[in-house]
Amino acid sequence: NAGVTQTPKFRILKIGQSMTLQCAQDMNHNYMYWYRQDPGMGLKLIYYSVGAGITDKGEVPNGYNVSRSTTEDFPLRLELAAPSQTSVYFCASSNQETQYFGPGTRLLVL
Amino acid sequence: RKEVEQDPGPFNVPEGATVAFNCTYSNSASQSFFWYRQDCRKEPKLLMSVYSSGNEDGRFTAQLNRASQYISLLIRDSKLSDSATYLCVVSLFGNEKLTFGTGTRLTIIP
Repeated sequence: NAGVTQTPKFRILKIGQSMTLQCAQDMNHNYMYWYRQDPGMGLKLIYYSVGAGITDKGEVPNGYNVSRSTTEDFPLRLELAAPSQTSVYFCASSNQETQYFGPGTRLLVL
Repeated sequence: RKEVEQDPGPFNVPEGATVAFNCTYSNSASQSFFWYRQDCRKEPKLLMSVYSSGNEDGRFTAQLNRASQYISLLIRDSKLSDSATYLCVVSLFGNEKLTFGTGTRLTIIP
């Protein structure tokens, strides 16, 4: 099992550009999540999904969109990148007991 | 008031010593409690769940005080490999929609 994988590992964007952060899991988990972590801060939930076709907003959804067309994949879309979106983005999936995190995507918006 | 509060540290502790962290949470309806460990520039990983009766896993002991709304983590006989940031995490519903503290940074000194 690869667990939770994320691509890319690192990206620099210019203000106003768009991009999609990819996340995939091979553990057949129904629940998936996107978090962002700013320096010295805890993780904040952006969006989550309880299964294919179902998504919902978390604490900080503004500026992001998600889709969940399959159980395995949960991409996060940034439409108009802003400097405030500079952060580390973690994707996670969960079973009944544990959330498993991907290695993260470091995003810098200049 | 933050939902989950932790002393950010850093705690610099000699190898072999015992160290304890506390964490407070604001929502009395919280049902599930966890300690996650995050190494520098890595993803968080579950260290242990925290049960009402308290629980132990090797050198690690977690306690929950619902009346005072705090959670503690005790590390005995600390090792160099224990150096990390420890994240206090609470949830209203099991393993879903976790709320993270900002973390307590621990460095074990040889």
